[in-house]
Amino acid sequence: GDSVTQMEGPVTLSEEAFLTINCTYTATGYPSLFWYVQYPGEGLQLLLKATKADDKGSNKGFEATYRKETTSFHLEKGSVQVSDSAVYFCALSRPLAGGYNKLIFGAGTRLAVHP
Amino acid sequence: DSGVTQTPKHLITATGQRVTLRCSPRSGDLSVYWYQQSLDQGLQFLIQYYNGEERAKGNILERFSAQQFPDLHSELNLSSLELGDSALYFCASSVDGQPFYEQYFGPGTRLTVT
Repeated sequence: GDSVTQMEGPVTLSEEAFLTINCTYTATGYPSLFWYVQYPGEGLQLLLKATKADDKGSNKGFEATYRKETTSFHLEKGSVQVSDSAVYFCALSRPLAGGYNKLIFGAGTRLAVHP
Repeated sequence: DSGVTQTPKHLITATGQRVTLRCSPRSGDLSVYWYQQSLDQGLQFLIQYYNGEERAKGNILERFSAQQFPDLHSELNLSSLELGDSALYFCASSVDGQPFYEQYFGPGTRLTVT
């Protein structure tokens, strides 16, 4: 079945460090890929998405490229801030019968950024 | 603010009881999804509704049921509650059910079963 695997956290970085959070997926067909972020005590927010191979999603300095050959969608940011401390979820969405879909999430990776 | 509202924010109840969680989607969104987030299971998809009709089911227990009303708000009913049902329950909405449309999440309802 479909699945998403993320690197385990927590990831602890100093401010202005480079961030990579690895995400790989298993799915039939051509899923859409997403990164969601969950700040403490809040719901999930969409960070970025890519809907086809080689698409690059970007938002707020974060980027991820849809790599079909390696079934990956790694999240990167060149210089993290304390305010980026949160849990990051990689997810895929694949059409189900009838044209509808569900999101399948990875386990989440907690990021802690220190001044 | 995603535009998705959920009530109540917190719910504490006893084993064996029944509760109802409510969700109002973003204006214009026809599709509503329910998710359960727990420490051991992570984020699990429960069920999807589109314009009042059930469209997809995930890992939803038989003790749980949901519906979407004509005004598009949705309710998730949890009955015969067990300790293991303690979790954060999120509702999300999207324009329609297509996979490339992002889902917008509400703030969640934290359910504690004692």
